[in-house]
Amino acid sequence: KNQVEQSPQSLIILEGKNCTLQCNYTVSPFSNLRWYKQDTGRGPVSLTIMTFSENTKSNGRYTATLDADTKQSSLHITASQLSDSASYICVVSATGTYKYIFGTGTRLKVLA
Amino acid sequence: NAGVTQTPKFQVLKTGQSMTLQCAQDMNHNSMYWYRQDPGMGLRLIYYSASEGTTDKGEVPNGYNVSRLNKREFSLRLESAAPSQTSVYFCAGRGGTGKLFFGSGTQLSVL
Repeated sequence: KNQVEQSPQSLIILEGKNCTLQCNYTVSPFSNLRWYKQDTGRGPVSLTIMTFSENTKSNGRYTATLDADTKQSSLHITASQLSDSASYICVVSATGTYKYIFGTGTRLKVLA
Repeated sequence: NAGVTQTPKFQVLKTGQSMTLQCAQDMNHNSMYWYRQDPGMGLRLIYYSASEGTTDKGEVPNGYNVSRLNKREFSLRLESAAPSQTSVYFCAGRGGTGKLFFGSGTQLSVL
């Protein structure tokens, strides 16, 4: 069964600190993996996409990694800001399908 | 550039009432989706439309109907609302790279 699992469920950090969010997936055949940021009361917004051949990709203070062998991805946030408080959702696509498999998200709260 | 627009933003219904959630996009997307988001669960696909005039059931279609009126608009209808349909509903369009562009959501409560 295609599944995406994220950890931790929630995380609280102090402003300026770094953090890493994890995503494990069992989706086959794998096409790509995206990380979305969802602010409270808003729809998710794409942060980055990882394809099979990519190991690391950065978008400002966000760095995503992908290990296709172990089927794991991480999202590292550097020098966190209050505006990083949001839910982060890992979404995996399978080749040849219109469907997306969503993780349940990690809720991040950044405290001043 | 509005992107994906959903209306209404909030709605309260009584059990048995009907309503239509509206979604319109100005991004020229062929594919559009309706999802529901419940606490502790990932977004679940209700219905999908690959192109104007076509629709397909997703993971949780029971109790819902959809209409792809034209390329821009994709509406979701609840014919007889039930408390189990209390949720946040998101419409999304799919871009050329497979990126989903979401609306801001409709928070629906069924009493």
